[in-house]
Amino acid sequence: AQTVTQSQPEMSVQEAETVTLSCTYDTSESDYYLFWYKQPPSRQMILVIRQEAYKQQNATENRFSVNFQKAAKSFSLKISDSQLGDAAMYFCAYRRRLPGSARQLTFGSGTQLTVLP
Amino acid sequence: AAGVIQSPRHLIKEKRETATLKCYPIPRHDTVYWYQQGPGQDPQFLISFYEKMQSDKGSIPDRFSAQQFSDYHSELNMSSLELGDSALYFCASSQRRTGAGYGYTFGSGTRLTVV
Repeated sequence: AQTVTQSQPEMSVQEAETVTLSCTYDTSESDYYLFWYKQPPSRQMILVIRQEAYKQQNATENRFSVNFQKAAKSFSLKISDSQLGDAAMYFCAYRRRLPGSARQLTFGSGTQLTVLP
Repeated sequence: AAGVIQSPRHLIKEKRETATLKCYPIPRHDTVYWYQQGPGQDPQFLISFYEKMQSDKGSIPDRFSAQQFSDYHSELNMSSLELGDSALYFCASSQRRTGAGYGYTFGSGTRLTVV
């Protein structure tokens, strides 16, 4: 079974600064997807960024980028120029890719990010 | 753009009562997933449906059942409610052919409180 670990229950960052959230996972699969979701106080789950394991290039979405280290099974999220609206719970998630395989997401325990003005 | 619609947004039930949660996926999405998120916890997968058939099953209690209808909406039926069932219940949808690697689109959730 796959597991996702987020070792930082809480993080804080000064507005306009950069912060990195850590995520590690355990899997015997070689092909899979990784995601970061954001859950603000509204509790809506919002997709921030995704990474395909077979792609070596790190995904980037505006101020959000990832550092994907497949051999180390590490998938960290970097938020640059942090904004007050980035304050939320961030979940790292894993999904198998094989055809016919289970398509549900396995989530980490989350990191609560606080942005300080 | 249309999103995943869940109803009701909030629900309060007493112990041993029954609750029905509804999920309306994005048009042309053929797959629906249900997740349960307890207070301070990460979402846990309950069950999913593809083309009106159950496709995967997670940690769903026997007291819960679900189905997907011909119009692709899904309902989660919860009987003999317990205090521990109090949680946020998310529905998510995707299109199997194209959406697998794009994550899913989540609804806003139904907050169930059992008293």
